[in-house]
Amino acid sequence: AQTVTQSQPEMSVQEAETVTLSCTYDTSESDYYLFWYKQPPSRQMILVIRQEAYKQQNATENRFSVNFQKAAKSFSLKISDSQLGDAAMYFCAYRSYTGANSKLTFGKGITLSVRP
Amino acid sequence: GAVVSQHPSRVICKSGTSVKIECRSLDFQATTMFWYRQFPKQSLMLMATSNEGSKATYEQGVEKDKFLINHASLTLSTLTVTSAHPEDSSFYICSARDQKRYTQYFGPGTRLTVL
Repeated sequence: AQTVTQSQPEMSVQEAETVTLSCTYDTSESDYYLFWYKQPPSRQMILVIRQEAYKQQNATENRFSVNFQKAAKSFSLKISDSQLGDAAMYFCAYRSYTGANSKLTFGKGITLSVRP
Repeated sequence: GAVVSQHPSRVICKSGTSVKIECRSLDFQATTMFWYRQFPKQSLMLMATSNEGSKATYEQGVEKDKFLINHASLTLSTLTVTSAHPEDSSFYICSARDQKRYTQYFGPGTRLTVL
């Protein structure tokens, strides 16, 4: 079974600074997806970024980028130019590549606060 | 982007009653939908996976007779909490997978309070 580990429960960043959220996972599969989801106080889950394991290039979405290290099974999220609206809980998630019913496996999440 | 709606957003009920929560995919067809439960400051716990036209697959430890799931169409899944008790109070989130884009979208959640 796959596992996703987010070892830091909380982090804080100064507005306009850069922060990196860590995530490691364990799997025996070679093809899979990795995701970062954001859950603001409204509790609406929002997809931040997605990475396909077969792609060597790290995914980027505006101020959000990942550092995907497949051999190390590491998938960190970097938020540049942090904004107050980035304050939220962030979840790292894994999903198998095959199978229409393949499930998302979530980490425990990390609460990010942004200091003005 | 794709939208998933959930209704109601909040519900308060008396112990022993049943509550139905609806999940709809608004602009895509979802053959697969997922139901999660989330406690404050914790991660999402998958309760069950529902497939259109077939029985739901429940995760270990989830009572299928208590949490009834129906996925009657490609855009609608319902979760019914039967004979609700205070310990069922929680935040319930549905999610729908867009098969064409292999992306999973989440509803805004339903806060259930059982008195």
